[in-house]
Amino acid sequence: GQNIDQPTEMTATEGAIVQINCTYQTSGFNGLFWYQQHAGEAPTFLSYNVLDGLEEKGRFSSFLSRSKGYSYLHLKELQMKDSASYLCAVRDSDYKLSFGAGTTVTVRA
Amino acid sequence: IAGITQAPTSQILAAGRRMTLRCTQDMRHNAMYWYRQDLGLGLRLIHYSNTAGTTGKGEVPDGYSVSRANTDDFPLTLASAVPSQTSVYFCASSEIAGAGDTQYFGPGTRLTVL
Repeated sequence: GQNIDQPTEMTATEGAIVQINCTYQTSGFNGLFWYQQHAGEAPTFLSYNVLDGLEEKGRFSSFLSRSKGYSYLHLKELQMKDSASYLCAVRDSDYKLSFGAGTTVTVRA
Repeated sequence: IAGITQAPTSQILAAGRRMTLRCTQDMRHNAMYWYRQDLGLGLRLIHYSNTAGTTGKGEVPDGYSVSRANTDDFPLTLASAVPSQTSVYFCASSEIAGAGDTQYFGPGTRLTVL
């Protein structure tokens, strides 16, 4: 089975930064994904890492260390619309995605 | 607009009834998936299909069945619903079932079994 851990909740101020950590133990590894999910809506793709290092996409960046089984999603210049749940998902050796329980980020004015 | 549609949006169902959740995509994606999402547990894979005509079991397949008669449709059937199947169900698709391929999710079906 898969074991993916991420914090349950985080709170940050508008304009600030937040970093969501994700640790994983899986049977095989074929990439790590981050999804954003607003309340009552479908998850939407944010980022993908398969090699160690940092991937940057505008205000969002994601980092991966395969040897440590660790990733983080970094959000800067936070906006109110960034209030959402952020899901860490790992693709295993069978190319199936296993999801963490999600981190609810609340952005306060 | 291309994407994934699911029906119904929500449903209240009596225990023991049969129910089929519908999922259709128009992106000509080969792979399709069904997940359930429960508070505190995250998304869990129920069944998947790597290509039309094939299906496979995910993490929590018991009580559910699927079929994949064509590329576009991937219905999920609950043969005899039980209260523990109360959940939000998401259908997803990806171009292929391979490394690096991104899954795209439908809007979800909120199912309540009483």
